[in-house]
Amino acid sequence: DTGVSQDPRHKITKRGQNVTFRCDPISEHNRLYWYRQTLGQGPEFLTYFQNEAQLEKSRLLSDRFSAERPKGSFSTLEIQRTEQGDSAMYLCASSLWGQKNETQYFGPGTRLLVL
Amino acid sequence: AQKVTQAQTEISVVEKEDVTLDCVYETRDTTYYLFWYKQPPSGELVFLIRRNSFDEQNEISGRYSWNFQKSTSSFNFTITASQVVDSAVYFCALSEAQGGSNYKLTFGKGTLLTVNP
Repeated sequence: DTGVSQDPRHKITKRGQNVTFRCDPISEHNRLYWYRQTLGQGPEFLTYFQNEAQLEKSRLLSDRFSAERPKGSFSTLEIQRTEQGDSAMYLCASSLWGQKNETQYFGPGTRLLVL
Repeated sequence: AQKVTQAQTEISVVEKEDVTLDCVYETRDTTYYLFWYKQPPSGELVFLIRRNSFDEQNEISGRYSWNFQKSTSSFNFTITASQVVDSAVYFCALSEAQGGSNYKLTFGKGTLLTVNP
């Protein structure tokens, strides 16, 4: 049973460029979450999906951010016109909604540096 | 609004010492879920334990134990006979209930534990 995977693991970009991250959840998991973690802080919730439906977005998710999960499997998180303040670790997690003791399992994260 | 406070920013111990990581939470919900995760230097968050608000039984798993006290809104984590491999950042997290299950997590700022040989 493979865990959550994320690609790329690291991304360096210049301010103003667009970037896209991918997350592949654990195969049978129907919920998928995105979090952002800055240095010295805990992860902060960005958005989540149940199957292909995006059910909630945090106020942290500005209009430069968009997330999709088109077929209810993998998800992408795109940041347009990146800013230096977007530099952070972007974490993806998945869970099986409806399972007793449902738990979110995290991927290794994508570390973004905006120059 | 929910809040998780981990007052200890950093703890340093010598191998084989016992260490307790504190977690205090705030929520207006009567049903909620508490979690601990470990984040080693590689960055991946590793799940350690989940607790439901209606289950106040303490739990022990090997060298790890958890003390959940609703009266003080605390969910503390103790490592007995610490080892160098326990060195990591530990996060406490809280989730409100939605549809009988948990969903988005609110994390504390984490405690960096360093175990020295």
